[in-house]
Amino acid sequence: AQRVTQPEKLLSVFKGAPVELKCNYSYSGSPELFWYVQYSRQRLQLLLRHISRESIKGFTADLNKGETSFHLKKPFAQEEDSAMYYCALDNYGQNFVFGPGTRLSVLP
Amino acid sequence: DTGVSQDPRHKITKRGQNVTFRCDPISEHNRLYWYRQTLGQGPEFLTYFQNEAQLEKSRLLSDRFSAERPKGSFSTLEIQRTEQGDSAMYLCASQGRAGNEKLFFGSGTQLSVL
Repeated sequence: AQRVTQPEKLLSVFKGAPVELKCNYSYSGSPELFWYVQYSRQRLQLLLRHISRESIKGFTADLNKGETSFHLKKPFAQEEDSAMYYCALDNYGQNFVFGPGTRLSVLP
Repeated sequence: DTGVSQDPRHKITKRGQNVTFRCDPISEHNRLYWYRQTLGQGPEFLTYFQNEAQLEKSRLLSDRFSAERPKGSFSTLEIQRTEQGDSAMYLCASQGRAGNEKLFFGSGTQLSVL
């Protein structure tokens, strides 16, 4: 079955430190992966998707098919990055499977 | 506001009552999804529509749950004979034509079953 795991419920880093939020998936075929973010009191929104190969707000994510991972990285965390982050998998164009989420807390 | 809107924002009901939620997607979007989210979990897929057709329904979805999108615009999600385990945030999302386009989420309806 298609599944997304995010092993860390909470990740705390200091401002300016590098951050990596882990995401692993199980999927048959070529996966389409996304990172969604939910800031405090805001709705869930797309941060980035692997197909675009873009950097958004300094975040990047590389799809590693060998390790079935799609980790989210940022070299220098900012306080405004504090939020819930969800990794998601496009399930054959029918729906999206979300991971349980990681709460990122960037400390001053 | 041209985003996805959901109504009501909060609903408190007693066990055994029926509840109905409404979602208005972004107007040109033909796909509409319902998700449920409980504390500490990510959104869990319930069902989705392409225009007015309900194309997929989660196997986890009890037959007490029913969703409609009669004219391919707004959608309703009804829960009959609510149980305490139905307490959750119910999220609606809409999507453009392609399956891999991003989802636009509403703010959700928080259901509390007493």
